[in-house]
Amino acid sequence: QLVLTQSPSASASLGASVKLTCTLSSGHSNYAIAWHQQQPEKGPRYLMKLSSDGSHSKGDGIPDRFSGSSSGAERYLTISSLQSEDEADYYCQTWGTGIVFGGGTKLTVL
Amino acid sequence: QVQLVESGGGVVQPGRSLRLSCAASGFTFSRHGIHWVRQAPGKGLEWMAVIWSDGSNRQYADSVKGRFTISRDNSKNTLSLQMNSLRAEDTAVYYCARNEDSSGTGAFDMWGQGTMVTVSS
Repeated sequence: QLVLTQSPSASASLGASVKLTCTLSSGHSNYAIAWHQQQPEKGPRYLMKLSSDGSHSKGDGIPDRFSGSSSGAERYLTISSLQSEDEADYYCQTWGTGIVFGGGTKLTVL
Repeated sequence: QVQLVESGGGVVQPGRSLRLSCAASGFTFSRHGIHWVRQAPGKGLEWMAVIWSDGSNRQYADSVKGRFTISRDNSKNTLSLQMNSLRAEDTAVYYCARNEDSSGTGAFDMWGQGTMVTVSS
C-alpha cells in the first residue's frame, strides 16, 4: 500500500535552515512526489515536483530558498534563510494507483 | 490571470445535496486533469475525485463513491462536483486542483482558494 509519512511538527529559527522529510512506504522508493505549502487560513500552494534521483521542478514564483532532494525512500524539502511567512503546514503528495497525501508537517519559525 | 476559483459552498442539512463549481482561467483547461480535494477543520488534505482532461475517466475516493459526481465542461472552463446524501463528516473546505498533465495521476501544480461546506441540521 502506498503511504507517505511525515513528522507532525518541526521548528527552526528565523534565518536558519530546516529540512522536512517525507517517507515513501516499502516498495515505493522510486516514486516521485510533490511538495505543497499551506499558510494559515489559506489554500495549498504547489512548491515543487521531486523525483527519486533528486531532480526537481519548482512552481512559478517559488523562491530559490526552497529546494528538494532524495535518498532512497526519503524525499526532502529544505528551506533556507527561514522567514516568518514560511511558518505553514507542508504536505507531500504522490500518485500511483491513486492519489496519496502525507499527514503534513507543521513548521514553526522561532 | 492563471487561477482556479471555487464556488457553491454553504450550509446544508444532512441528507441534502449541494453542487460545487470550479472556474478556470489563464491556461488551457482542456489539457489538464482536475481534482477535488477536501480538508476537514483542523485536519489534513484528503483526495476526493478526479476527472481526466477529456472527461473519459473519473475516479473517486471510497468515502464518496456513489454519492459524489465529478464533471467538467471544457467549453466553459468549468469543473463541478455534485454532492448528494451529504453527511456531517463531509464538512470541510473543498479545493479544486490542477493535475500537471491530461491524466488523473500526477503532481498537483495549481490549487484554488477553496469553498467551505458545512453539513449540519
